[in-house]
Amino acid sequence: DTAVSQTPKYLVTQMGNDKSIKCEQNLGHDTMYWYKQDSKKFLKIMFSYNNKELIINETVPNRFSPKSPDKAHLNLHINSLELGDSAVYFCASSQDVAAAPYEQYFGPGTRLTVT
Amino acid sequence: QKEVEQDPGPLSVPEGAIVSLNCTYSNSAFQYFMWYRQYSRKGPELLMYTYSSGNKEDGRFTAQVDKSSKYISLFIRDSQPSDSATYLCAMGLTGGGNKLTFGTGTQLKVEL
Repeated sequence: DTAVSQTPKYLVTQMGNDKSIKCEQNLGHDTMYWYKQDSKKFLKIMFSYNNKELIINETVPNRFSPKSPDKAHLNLHINSLELGDSAVYFCASSQDVAAAPYEQYFGPGTRLTVT
Repeated sequence: QKEVEQDPGPLSVPEGAIVSLNCTYSNSAFQYFMWYRQYSRKGPELLMYTYSSGNKEDGRFTAQVDKSSKYISLFIRDSQPSDSATYLCAMGLTGGGNKLTFGTGTQLKVEL
């Protein structure tokens, strides 16, 4: 049973296109995240949702829009893709937001290549 | 300058060696320190989790935190080829919810 799953695994697209990445978790967690990992392996948080409510929104271009239809799903839509958007995007989930961080469970990643 | 600095490696060691992986950080408010392991083409997975200063041991792995020096370490004893991965340190704040700040990762290769 996959705990955190993402689709697609690979995404190759041209500049200017719009694309979406989907994430689902079956761990019963209330908090989900999107991270971007660049070619140097630097992992940076983009967004976090808790019970469908946006709680972390880092400095990310407006072209990126997360959507959480329910607490088990968090999708990422990207408009007008640029070359610099090429990266691996990871979805993660954890227990409720709290005073101390909980373990985050990561999905397998979506490797996005913009040509 | 990034909040969390980590030597990117790659670090290559023979099987059985003791490995030391390190991170330095600038934000003295960090209280929670984690090490994640990431195999090639996979998502990171939590390896060790410590709170404030001190040591924590789990099998072949020992995590150390020195808050006075803003320095954390992960030691791997009797390293195995299966330990070959990228190791990412991550840090969080009290009251910061689940927001983690990651280091850039150190790539480790354990050779037969």
